[in-house]
Amino acid sequence: NAGVTQTPKFQVLKTGQSMTLQCAQDMNHEYMSWYRQDPGMGLRLIHYSVGAGITDQGEVPNGYNVSRSTTEDFPLRLLSAAPSQTSVYFCASRGSGGVGRYEQYFGPGTRLTVT
Amino acid sequence: QKEVEQDPGPLSVPEGAIVSLNCTYSNSAFQYFMWYRQYSRKGPELLMYTYSSGNKEDGRFTAQVDKSSKYISLFIRDSQPSDSATYLCAMSAGALPGGYNKLIFGAGTRLAVHP
Repeated sequence: NAGVTQTPKFQVLKTGQSMTLQCAQDMNHEYMSWYRQDPGMGLRLIHYSVGAGITDQGEVPNGYNVSRSTTEDFPLRLLSAAPSQTSVYFCASRGSGGVGRYEQYFGPGTRLTVT
Repeated sequence: QKEVEQDPGPLSVPEGAIVSLNCTYSNSAFQYFMWYRQYSRKGPELLMYTYSSGNKEDGRFTAQVDKSSKYISLFIRDSQPSDSATYLCAMSAGALPGGYNKLIFGAGTRLAVHP
């Protein structure tokens, strides 16, 4: 199993540009989430999904859009990039049964810089 | 005030030392308490999780939760240079919006174990 994969690893955007961060998991997990990590702030939840076709907002959703058309994929879209969105973005997934339902598996991250 | 407070360090210890990492929190609804380890430029990986109050041991690692004091700890015995990483505490509660999908993280403590 590859686990949770994210592309790209690095990205530089100009203010106002849009882009999509890709996330895929091959563990047949029902739940997927996007977090951003900023210095001194820990990780903060942006959006999450409880299954294909179902998404909800997290703590810091403004400026981001998500959709979930398949169990495997959960892309994050930046609609109009702003310097405040410079961060490291992590995708995570977790299962729904047994003790594993509390464990979120994280991808390797995407480092985004907005100039 | 942040929901979860964690001293960012850095913490520098000699090899073989016992390390104590701590977090305090304000929301008494939290039920699940986790410790993640994050190596530089990698995604977080789950080290341990505990439910409610009590202790849990796994090899050189011990997690403690004191719900009455809203305080959690991670102890690392016989610390090794390979333990050098950032340690993040995280918490969740099924009853809160987002349920177990929403992890609230501390800012992380950077640990360096020198030979």
